[in-house]
Amino acid sequence: QKEVEQNSGPLSVPEGAIASLNCTYSDRGSQSFFWYRQYSGKSPELIMSIYSNGDKEDGRFTAQLNKASQYVSLLIRDSQPSDSATYLCAVNPSNYQLIWGAGTKLIIKP
Amino acid sequence: EAQVTQNPRYLITVTGKKLTVTCSQNMNHEYMSWYRQDPGLGLRQIYYSMNVEVTDKGDVPEGYKVSRKEKRNFPLILESPSPNQTSLYFCASSPLRGSYEQYFGPGTRLTVT
Repeated sequence: QKEVEQNSGPLSVPEGAIASLNCTYSDRGSQSFFWYRQYSGKSPELIMSIYSNGDKEDGRFTAQLNKASQYVSLLIRDSQPSDSATYLCAVNPSNYQLIWGAGTKLIIKP
Repeated sequence: EAQVTQNPRYLITVTGKKLTVTCSQNMNHEYMSWYRQDPGLGLRQIYYSMNVEVTDKGDVPEGYKVSRKEKRNFPLILESPSPNQTSLYFCASSPLRGSYEQYFGPGTRLTVT
């Protein structure tokens, strides 16, 4: 059974601090990795994708991938109250499907 | 505007009354998928389609049907809804070539009494 694991949270972070979200996956052959943000009652929206080991930065967001350790993380710098949401990790194994984690709820405290 | 649309957005129905939730995308994507989302369980895939007339079961297909007669449309059919199908449903699409990023519709909140 291919799995993606996330801590459900909630993760509480002060405004302006760095929020660190983690995700581990079981299928060593996975090729593509995604972070989605989902506000309560809304649809998931893609915020980051990463395909190779290392860091990928986009504005205040940095995705980190370590295939040897089978984890992917998302860092949010200068956290804002508007970043409060559930963050979903999704992994593409060798087929065309995405395997989803259950999400981490992030709360940014003003 | 590139988008995935779903209708209806909200639906309350009774056990056993057949219903269809429509999904349409205007991005010419090959791949389309249906998910349900329940508290604490995350997104679970119901069915997916890799192209016209090609559909396959996801993780929780029981009680659902789909069809893909046109590339842009992927309706979800509940032949005889039951209360355990009360959930938030999302349709998503993806351009299979080069990327598996999925783009989601706004969701359909279904309540079966």
